Amino acid sequence: KAGVTQTPRYLIKTRGQQVTLSCSPISGHRSVSWYQQTPGQGLQFLFEYFSETQRNKGNFPGRFSGRQFSNSRSEMNVSTLELGDSALYLCASSPNREGRRQETQYFGPGTRLLVL
Amino acid sequence: AQRVTQPEKLLSVFKGAPVELKCNYSYSGSPELFWYVQYSRQRLQLLLRHISRESIKGFTADLNKGETSFHLKKPFAQEEDSAMYYCALSGRLVYSGGGADGLTFGKGTHLIIQP
Repeated sequence: KAGVTQTPRYLIKTRGQQVTLSCSPISGHRSVSWYQQTPGQGLQFLFEYFSETQRNKGNFPGRFSGRQFSNSRSEMNVSTLELGDSALYLCASSPNREGRRQETQYFGPGTRLLVL
Repeated sequence: AQRVTQPEKLLSVFKGAPVELKCNYSYSGSPELFWYVQYSRQRLQLLLRHISRESIKGFTADLNKGETSFHLKKPFAQEEDSAMYYCALSGRLVYSGGGADGLTFGKGTHLIIQP
């Protein structure tokens, strides 16, 4: 099976702009999670989607949002970008056969966002 | 709030020496713990999970609920073990919407195996 793919791989934006990142999960996986990775804070959970519904959300401001489509593909959006939003954004998918407890997550290569 | 602590940012050992990567967690419920690894220029991937009680690439990790630890061990390090290692906990997040649980990661330990 093809792995998790993320587009674009690199992105440069300026403060105040908005950005949309895309994630295609492994075929058959219904759960998609998003993480932000920075040198200072490490890997932080943003949110998780399952069957087009956001099931869980981390401690991030409302400028960070996402959605999931019927084919399980997911997008995340960051509005009014700030310099501190510069990070590697990782998407991960899992089958979620085991219900509410987490299974193995399969990570994409990430999108590196630079905000100037 | 749940928390994962990896006290060592960098760990350097010689090939053939034993390796122990420390991980301590804070969680009020029954946690599910994982070790993820990222080799150079590769994506983050699962190394092992405590519920499986298996050994992957010679690595093992035992959940010690009394000490709230999940240290990763390998008796004889190999050069190909050089990578970034992350301990992660699956539990209910503060802002949980009542659905699946997100992963809380430690800051990671960069393991370097010297020849």
